[in-house]
Amino acid sequence: DAGVTQSPTHLIKTRGQQVTLRCSPKSGHDTVSWYQQALGQGPQFIFQYYEEEERQRGNFPDRFSGHQFPNYSSELNVNALLLGDSALYLCASRGGARTDTQYFGPGTRLTVL
Amino acid sequence: AQKITQTQPGMFVQEKEAVTLDCTYDTSDQSYGLFWYKQPSSGEMIFLIYQGSYDEQNATEGRYSLNFQKARKSANLVISASQLGDSAMYFCAMREGPSGGSYIPTFGRGTSLIVHP
Repeated sequence: DAGVTQSPTHLIKTRGQQVTLRCSPKSGHDTVSWYQQALGQGPQFIFQYYEEEERQRGNFPDRFSGHQFPNYSSELNVNALLLGDSALYLCASRGGARTDTQYFGPGTRLTVL
Repeated sequence: AQKITQTQPGMFVQEKEAVTLDCTYDTSDQSYGLFWYKQPSSGEMIFLIYQGSYDEQNATEGRYSLNFQKARKSANLVISASQLGDSAMYFCAMREGPSGGSYIPTFGRGTSLIVHP
């Protein structure tokens, strides 16, 4: 049973560019959330998708947008990258019997130069 | 105000000994859930244990147990018989609102645990 997968694992971009990160949820899960984790901090909630719609959103600007596909996989898009967007981006999924517990992917480490 | 407080930025423990990682929380909801996650240097957040606010017994998962003291709003993680592989960051997190609903989880700042041989 595959867990949550994310791609790519590492990414280097320059200021002003755009980036797309991808996530496939754990089998049987239908809800996907994205988090940003800066060095030395806990994860900060970006947004959550369920049934292809954004259900909840944290305190992040509109430069951060997302999408969920019919197969429950999801993308996180960040436009007009800033140096401060450098972080580990984590995807988490939940659903099924233990509906409250989120399972995380390995993350994508984004560096903005 | 912080919803999840982890007051220990770093902890050290000898291999095979037990260690307690502290977590206090702040919520006015009657229904909530508390989670602990482990994050090794590789970055992946690994789910360890969950406690619902209405659960009467403390949660246990193998060597992990959650010392839930509702009146004190604390949810400490106890790791018994520490192993070298337990060295990692540990995060406490909270879900507010009814189980199964949509929620925005809140994470603490984490505690770094180092296990010495």
